[in-house]
Amino acid sequence: GQNIDQPTEMTATEGAIVQINCTYQTSGFNGLFWYQQHAGEAPTFLSYNVLDGLEEKGRFSSFLSRSKGYSYLLLKELQMKDSASYLCAVMDSNYQLIWGAGTKLIIKP
Amino acid sequence: GAVVSQHPSWVICKSGTSVKIECRSLDFQATTMFWYRQFPKQSLMLMATSNEGSKATYEQGVEKDKFLINHASLTLSTLTVTSAHPEDSSFYICSASTGTSDTGELFFGEGSRLTVL
Repeated sequence: GQNIDQPTEMTATEGAIVQINCTYQTSGFNGLFWYQQHAGEAPTFLSYNVLDGLEEKGRFSSFLSRSKGYSYLLLKELQMKDSASYLCAVMDSNYQLIWGAGTKLIIKP
Repeated sequence: GAVVSQHPSWVICKSGTSVKIECRSLDFQATTMFWYRQFPKQSLMLMATSNEGSKATYEQGVEKDKFLINHASLTLSTLTVTSAHPEDSSFYICSASTGTSDTGELFFGEGSRLTVL
């Protein structure tokens, strides 16, 4: 079956760095997405990786290793507004998005 | 970026009534839109894929007679929850792709929170 694993919850301190991991097993691979979702709101797009390596976008970076079925989202200089759920999603061979359950990130002052 | 608007944001209805949720792509044409539901502290669950001018494709376990989807134009898809019951209370979200981005990025509506009394 298809499976996306990410930690349920993480806690970090304002100003620090946090890495949220995602491992996946899917039938085919056409890219991995990270979305941010604040409570009660719809997800917003953060990043897309289809090739191995690191993609940097401001304070956020996303890494992909296709051979390992592994990705991480790196958040630097954490701000209180970064408290949210972070969803990892993989597009399979049928171009369907398979969603992880999300990682709730709690930022403490 | 592309904007997807969803209406209403909140709806409360009595058990047995039907509720319609609209999803509009405001500045692009979306041949395909997706409908999800999300329970508290859970991830998005794809309900159906809505294709303009044709019948929606429903995911396994989703009742097509219960959740009616109509994609009448390239900018509008509607989800109607028929004869709603309290267990249908959930957060319903739509998304659409421009179909032109290399990233295959999805743009999400704001979501509609349905509460059935």
